[in-house]
Amino acid sequence: QVQLVGSGGGVVQPGRSLRLSCAASGFTFSSYDMHWVRQAPGKGLEWVAVISRDEAKKHYADSVKGRFTISRDNSKNTLYLQINSLRPEDTAMYFCAREGVTAIPLFDYWGQGTLVTVSS
Amino acid sequence: SYELTQSPSVSVSPGQTASITCSGDKLGDKYVCWYQQKPGQSPVLVIYEDNKRPSGIPERFSGSNSGNTATLTISGTQAMDEADYYCQAWDSSTHVVFGGGTKLTVL
Repeated sequence: QVQLVGSGGGVVQPGRSLRLSCAASGFTFSSYDMHWVRQAPGKGLEWVAVISRDEAKKHYADSVKGRFTISRDNSKNTLYLQINSLRPEDTAMYFCAREGVTAIPLFDYWGQGTLVTVSS
Repeated sequence: SYELTQSPSVSVSPGQTASITCSGDKLGDKYVCWYQQKPGQSPVLVIYEDNKRPSGIPERFSGSNSGNTATLTISGTQAMDEADYYCQAWDSSTHVVFGGGTKLTVL
């Protein structure tokens, strides 16, 4: 079955960096575009970034552009999110999600999330 | 940037019909999907392309989209349906956009 397992979160000081990982299994990872979505404590869902299956295309939310970098390693079935210059407002659960094969980008499978807390 | 607006909360009695709305400019011209999220869990897709149900989603979940409003309808609402619900669309400028979420209370 499809599994997405996120890792790499933790408590980090403002201004530091962090790399999140999402290990995929149960499907042909290289055939799907992949996304990161975050959710601040008690708040709604916020789309963060997408990477195409061949890494040729990447798009970011305006709120993270310039500080976040999405990447993937299809040989390792793993998705990454590099977060630089962390800010308190980046505190959130970060979900990786698979883009379904439908008329518009949507998320048919989600990871369990990895929690990032930015605090001094 | 494109925005989707949802009411913060909706209440329904067990067995009744719950309607959760999502509004946006000319939303009817776009496809909408809906996610259910229970406390401490990841979201689950319940409706896609306005009115299609993924495999495993009960028939009591249905959707519609016209004009500026998309609606998620839950018929014969059960206690297990109590959750947060998010609408989502795609826009060429914003890419993926979520509504702010609606907390459904079954009481």
